[in-house]
Amino acid sequence: DGGITQSPKYLFRKEGQNVTLSCEQNLNHDAMYWYRQDPGQGLRLIYYSQIVNDFQKGDIAEGYSVSREKKESFPLTVTSAQKNPTAFYLCASSIYGTISYNEQFFGPGTRLTVL
Amino acid sequence: GQSLEQPSEVTAVEGAIVQINCTYQTSGFYGLSWYQQHDGGAPTFLSYNALDGLEETGRFSSFLSRSDSYGYLLLQELQMKDSASYFCAARGSNYQLIWGAGTKLIIKP
Repeated sequence: DGGITQSPKYLFRKEGQNVTLSCEQNLNHDAMYWYRQDPGQGLRLIYYSQIVNDFQKGDIAEGYSVSREKKESFPLTVTSAQKNPTAFYLCASSIYGTISYNEQFFGPGTRLTVL
Repeated sequence: GQSLEQPSEVTAVEGAIVQINCTYQTSGFYGLSWYQQHDGGAPTFLSYNALDGLEETGRFSSFLSRSDSYGYLLLQELQMKDSASYFCAARGSNYQLIWGAGTKLIIKP
């Protein structure tokens, strides 16, 4: 079955540490996204990528970094520069296209807690 | 700025009909989408409206009025499993989806 996997499901980090969240998809989608969700709020875009080796900052990119070396993979690194990283992180993908960008498929998410 | 407004919470009775409204303000507009998210889970796509009018998918329908910058999601024959948060999301001119804060739907037996 095609889908998006994220690992780990829960992640605990000490202050000052960088952590990398994994996102893999086998849907053959060109576009991939990283969102952050805080309790009781909507999703905020961190980074997105429309093709391999290219990505753009979203609304809240500060303190985060990404890479897109393969079509299937879009890892997110939460750096020590992110002041309040405790949140639910969601990875998504979509088909490349004007209408298709509106239908995004999500992974199960990673819940990051900073101790 | 770009924003979407939707009620924070709606309560309805099992078997009834409920409407969740969404008003938007975006730079450019390329459609309004609706997603469902159960507690602790990931959002799942429900529907998309690019043009004015009603789109129906089973018990769920979505409506869009571009002249009013307004849309709604209509859920019929409510079931307990429909208890979830519902998000509207609009796509602006830069391919990004802008999300509302979500509406928590509480269903009572």
